[in-house]
Amino acid sequence: GNSVTQMEGPVTLSEEAFLTINCTYTATGYPSLFWYVQYPGEGLQLLLKATKADDKGSNKGFEATYRKETTSFHLEKGSVQVSDSAVYFCALSETDSWGKLQFGAGTQVVVTP
Amino acid sequence: GAVVSQHPSWVICKSGTSVKIECRSLDFQATTMFWYRQFPKQSLMLMATSNEGSKATYEQGVEKDKFLINHASLTLSTLTVTSAHPEDSSFYICSAGQSYGYTFGSGTRLTVV
Repeated sequence: GNSVTQMEGPVTLSEEAFLTINCTYTATGYPSLFWYVQYPGEGLQLLLKATKADDKGSNKGFEATYRKETTSFHLEKGSVQVSDSAVYFCALSETDSWGKLQFGAGTQVVVTP
Repeated sequence: GAVVSQHPSWVICKSGTSVKIECRSLDFQATTMFWYRQFPKQSLMLMATSNEGSKATYEQGVEKDKFLINHASLTLSTLTVTSAHPEDSSFYICSAGQSYGYTFGSGTRLTVV
C-alpha cells in the first residue's frame, strides 16, 4: 500500500535559517504530492502541491520538487520566520482531485527569534 | 477560494452521550467529503469517505455503528459520535476535494469526560 515517511521533529531553527523537511513516499501509481501546514489550534492549510514528476510546487517562500527517481518531495525554505512555526504534513493522493489523502506523521517546526 | 466550515470547533460531552459534527462546503458543491481523526501529536488518519446520497465508506478498523456519517446534500456532511467514551476524545477534521487540492475544515476538538 501507499505510505509517506517524514523526518521526525521537532526541528528547532533560528529566524532566517534554512529549513528542509525530508519526505519520501511509496505508491503503486503516479500520485499527487502535497504539503500541508497546521498552525497551533487550527485545521490544515494547503501549502503547495505537485501533480507529476519534476513539478515544483511553491508558496510563501516554500518550495518542493516532485522527484520520481528518488520518490521524494522535500520541503525547503530559504529564510524562515517565527510565524513559520507550525506542524508540516507531507501527503499523497493517488488521484489528482478526488482521492484519499495519505499523510506522513508530521514534523513540528519551531523558529526562535 | 473554496471554504469548508466545520462546527462546532470544540465540544465537551459526558460519557455515553452522542455528539454531531457538521461539515459544510460554503461556496462549492462537494459530492465527496472525507473525515479524518488526529490524536495528540500524531498524524491524521482517514476514517471514512462520505458520498452524497449514499452510504459512507469506512476505513478498516473504524466502527461504522459508532461513527455515523450522513451526507444528505451536496454541501453538508455530518459525523455523529454515538455513545462517546473518553477514548473517543480527539481532533476530528473534514475535507472536501477540489480540482486544485483539498480544502479542510478548521476541525473539531472533542473531549469526552
